Order: sequence, then structure tokens, then C-alpha cells
Amino acid sequence: DAEITQSPRHKITETGRQVTLACHQTWNHNNMFWYRQDLGHGLRLIHYSYGVQDTNKGEVSDGYSVSRSNTEDLPLTLESAASSQTSVYFCASSVSTDTQYFGPGTRLTVL
Amino acid sequence: KNQVEQSPQSLIILEGKNCTLQCNYTVSPFSNLRWYKQDTGRGPVSLTIMTFSENTKSNGRYTATLDADTKQSSLHITASQLSDSASYICVVSEKTSYDKVIFGPGTSLSVIP
Repeated sequence: DAEITQSPRHKITETGRQVTLACHQTWNHNNMFWYRQDLGHGLRLIHYSYGVQDTNKGEVSDGYSVSRSNTEDLPLTLESAASSQTSVYFCASSVSTDTQYFGPGTRLTVL
Repeated sequence: KNQVEQSPQSLIILEGKNCTLQCNYTVSPFSNLRWYKQDTGRGPVSLTIMTFSENTKSNGRYTATLDADTKQSSLHITASQLSDSASYICVVSEKTSYDKVIFGPGTSLSVIP
């Protein structure tokens, strides 16, 4: 069955380290998104991509980067992790403007 | 500023009872409105999607309504079950060159026996 997966599911890292969160989908969706979810806030868009080699900044993109070298994957990199980036990160994919399908999430703790 | 607000913030109901969750938005121009269900520790899952011309949409025991004039939506859950315990998120898309998606903060629903 087609699906969207994220890895790792849990990650603890130290301030200043580079961290990469993986997202892989097998639906062949063109659109992929990264969100963070914090208590008291709705899901906030970090970066998104509408296809291979296309990447765009969302509303909370500072300190994050993405690259899209193929349709299936959109890894999210924290260049130098900060405690403010402790959060739950969700990857999602969609076809056109259709419903987004979310992965299970990655819980990241930055100490 | 385009915003999505939801009420109540949290709700506790007895199993078998009905409940209604509210969503107010200021997003313009409007494209569509979705309700998602998010179980604890999981990603959100879509329940319904409505465009401007639709004022009601059902998915089993879930019924969503939309009043595009007052910019309000509601999600009605009938005969609640323990498995309905989750966060319910209202998501509104802004019609631009692409559909900009704005998430509400969610309503946390607890169904107790």
C-alpha cells in the first residue's frame, strides 16, 4: 500500500548540531510539505515543494532547509539545532490542491 | 491577517452523546475548508472537505457545515465513541496562485465511558 513515512520517530540532539529528518512517500505525489506542531499553535508550514528541484519557504523557515532530488523524498535539515526547534515535525504530501496526507511525525528534542 | 480560530479549546463528553465543534475564519479569498482528526501521537487525517458552494458534508457520524457568508464552520459528531477522542483541526485554504493552507489550533475532544 502507498504510504508516507518519517524517520526517525524520536530524536534527541544537542544545541548546534546538524540534524536531518527524513520523509518518504510512495504515492508519487508532486507536492510535499514540512510542518512543525507546538502546544498552543496550529501546524505551521516550514518548507514545501511542488516537484523535483522545487523548494519554497513557509512561514517559519528560518534555521531549516530542504532539498528535492526525487519525487519520493523531502528531507528536512536543521543546520544548527536550537532549543526553540524542539517540536513535533510532520511531513505531508498531496496531489495538486487536494487533501494532504500526513506522516506519523518525528518528535525532536534539542538539549 | 488570515486566521482560523476554533472553539472550544477542549471538550469532555460522555460516550453516546453528540457534540459540535466550531471554526471561525477570516481567510480571504476563500478556496476550501477541511476538517482533520488527529489521534494522539499520529498525523492528522482528513475527515471532510468543502468548497464555497457546499454547505454540508458528511462522513459517517461526522457532519461538517459551512456558512461562507459568516465565515463559520461546524463539525457535528453523532453518537460519540471512545475512539472519537482526538484533536479536531479546522484548515482553511486561501486562494492565491496556489492554495495557501492555514491551520486552526484544534479542539481536543475526550469521550469518556
